[in-house]
Amino acid sequence: NAGVTQTPKFQVLKTGQSMTLQCAQDMNHNSMYWYRQDPGMGLRLIYYSASEGTTDKGEVPNGYNVSRLNKREFSLRLESAAPSQTSVYFCASSRQRVYEQYFGPGTRLTVT
Amino acid sequence: GQQVMQIPQYQHVQEGEDFTTYCNSSTTLSNIQWYKQRPGGHPVFLIQLVKSGEVKKQKRLTFQFGEAKKNSSLHITATQTTDVGTYFCAGETSYDKVIFGPGTSLSVIP
Repeated sequence: NAGVTQTPKFQVLKTGQSMTLQCAQDMNHNSMYWYRQDPGMGLRLIYYSASEGTTDKGEVPNGYNVSRLNKREFSLRLESAAPSQTSVYFCASSRQRVYEQYFGPGTRLTVT
Repeated sequence: GQQVMQIPQYQHVQEGEDFTTYCNSSTTLSNIQWYKQRPGGHPVFLIQLVKSGEVKKQKRLTFQFGEAKKNSSLHITATQTTDVGTYFCAGETSYDKVIFGPGTSLSVIP
């Protein structure tokens, strides 16, 4: 049981480049989430997927897109990276929308 | 909009001292969750409180949910170096959303 896995662990991008962060869970959870964490800001929700086939915006969706590929996988795409998107990105999953969340190890992204 | 606040933002304690962090919501919560994040790690779920006035204990940790379901606290008795990290509360609002507080960062001086 791997829980929630994320790739890559680290990434450096130049301004304007694009990339996709991958997330997968093996707990048969219905809901999945993407957060960003910046110093002193806590966890801010970017997008979430309450169930397979649905996605919704969170608190800070601008500059990001998501895809719920299947029940296991939820990817986050940065189409044109900006220095303001330098952050640690966490994927999480939960059995249903408001149950406890299980977090992946995070991706540390730097945009120069 | 709906907000979940935590105080203090930082706390430095001597090993063996007690520690408390407080979580306050601008609106009534259906339930509240607590998470711990070790330095360099990811948040890990600790507990969920659902009932008004509920108190739960996990060894040296005591969690409380306020009577009005708008605030909560986490108290650690006799801190140890293993308690170091950031503690987040997360409240479920009436709109079926979970909002994380900004966290309290705990340092323990041996």
